[in-house]
Amino acid sequence: DAGVIQSPRHEVTEMGQEVTLRCKPISGHNSLFWYRQTMMRGLELLIYFNNNVPIDDSGMPEDRFSAKMPNASFSTLKIQPSEPRDSAVYFCASSVSGTAGNTIYFGEGSWLTVV
Amino acid sequence: AQKVTQAQTEISVVEKEDVTLDCVYETRDTTYYLFWYKQPPSGELVFLIRRNSFDEQNEISGRYSWNFQKSTSSFNFTITASQVVDSAVYFCALSGLTGANNLFFGTGTRLTVIP
Repeated sequence: DAGVIQSPRHEVTEMGQEVTLRCKPISGHNSLFWYRQTMMRGLELLIYFNNNVPIDDSGMPEDRFSAKMPNASFSTLKIQPSEPRDSAVYFCASSVSGTAGNTIYFGEGSWLTVV
Repeated sequence: AQKVTQAQTEISVVEKEDVTLDCVYETRDTTYYLFWYKQPPSGELVFLIRRNSFDEQNEISGRYSWNFQKSTSSFNFTITASQVVDSAVYFCALSGLTGANNLFFGTGTRLTVIP
């Protein structure tokens, strides 16, 4: 079975450019999460969707970040304009539902470097 | 508030040694779930195990075993007869009814198995 699929795996971009990260959750999963991993802050939740609706975006750092989920099989995380401090690994993850305790399965991550 | 503490930042063992990774958690929820994830050098996050707060039975899966003790709020992970392929960062995580399905991660323990 296919897991969570993310693209691109690696991206290097210049400060000020727009970055779009893409995610395809596991088929049949109704909840989708975007996490960010940095050395300083570890793994932190940015936003999560339940049935394509954003439920909690309190972790989104600022207005430069936006996330969408137009349908059950696709989500994007956009950074515009990007800054060097956005350099991190961005993980997309999905679970069967938004009920507490469901196992969350992660993609391989998108490694972003902003220079 | 949910909190997970992994006091061991880095551990090195020689191949075939047993090693235990510690995890201590804090939560006010009476129902909660504990997880362990593995992050190998390739970077993906791999789900290992999920336990709910009502099931304190220890679990064994091959060389892996988990010891859940509510009395000490701990969920420790032991690898028996470690192998080089076990080298990775291991994360303990907590999900409670507070914050819906969000996972609160510890800071991780980097395990290096020396051949």
